[in-house]
Amino acid sequence: SQQGEEDPQALSIQEGENATMNCSYKTSINNLQWYRQNSGRGLVHLILIRSNEREKHSGRLRVTLDTSKKSSSLLITASRAADTASYFCATAAIGGANSKLTFGKGITLSVRP
Amino acid sequence: DSGVTQTPKHLITATGQRVTLRCSPRSGDLSVYWYQQSLDQGLQFLIQYYNGEERAKGNILERFSAQQFPDLHSELNLSSLELGDSALYFCASSTLQGAMGGYTFGSGTRLTVV
Repeated sequence: SQQGEEDPQALSIQEGENATMNCSYKTSINNLQWYRQNSGRGLVHLILIRSNEREKHSGRLRVTLDTSKKSSSLLITASRAADTASYFCATAAIGGANSKLTFGKGITLSVRP
Repeated sequence: DSGVTQTPKHLITATGQRVTLRCSPRSGDLSVYWYQQSLDQGLQFLIQYYNGEERAKGNILERFSAQQFPDLHSELNLSSLELGDSALYFCASSTLQGAMGGYTFGSGTRLTVV
């Protein structure tokens, strides 16, 4: 079953605008990760934020984590047409070496040129 | 190229048949994970191996089995195939055990059962 639930399910924006995607989860986590998937391709790891971190940046990406609300957001600034893809949040339950990543159903982002 | 190699890229087979999907992890990664992606179920975790040992099992059907070999490549065997097994099957690898770090995904095997 899905742990993370992304919101919205689909997002369409103009090139140059910012895109904000949200993820909520149910149980305590060790870390939360965001991945991108271009149509029919493999997933690409974007960023990982640990449960004791509140915000992390990587290039045009900014991720926040609020463990009290069990939610995370991914902000892509100054979006480009090449950012068009599906974005997934994945949570790592507390469990050490035997923990696994559980993925949400994803958000489809369309960036119009 | 992510460094994780999956073969074949596409597979079309009939119901009742058996297939084997192969995965070579990124160089140096000891952990291998298998996921199934379908439109209705999303990405479902199947099974995890670390250095040849099974470490975690997810929603893997009894008709499915997997193993990781001494050279660290892994195979996912799907038998008595049904139409509903049609999906994208991904292999991923990681340096760290479990979900402590990011995963590197292969480009997947698209299985079509007819």
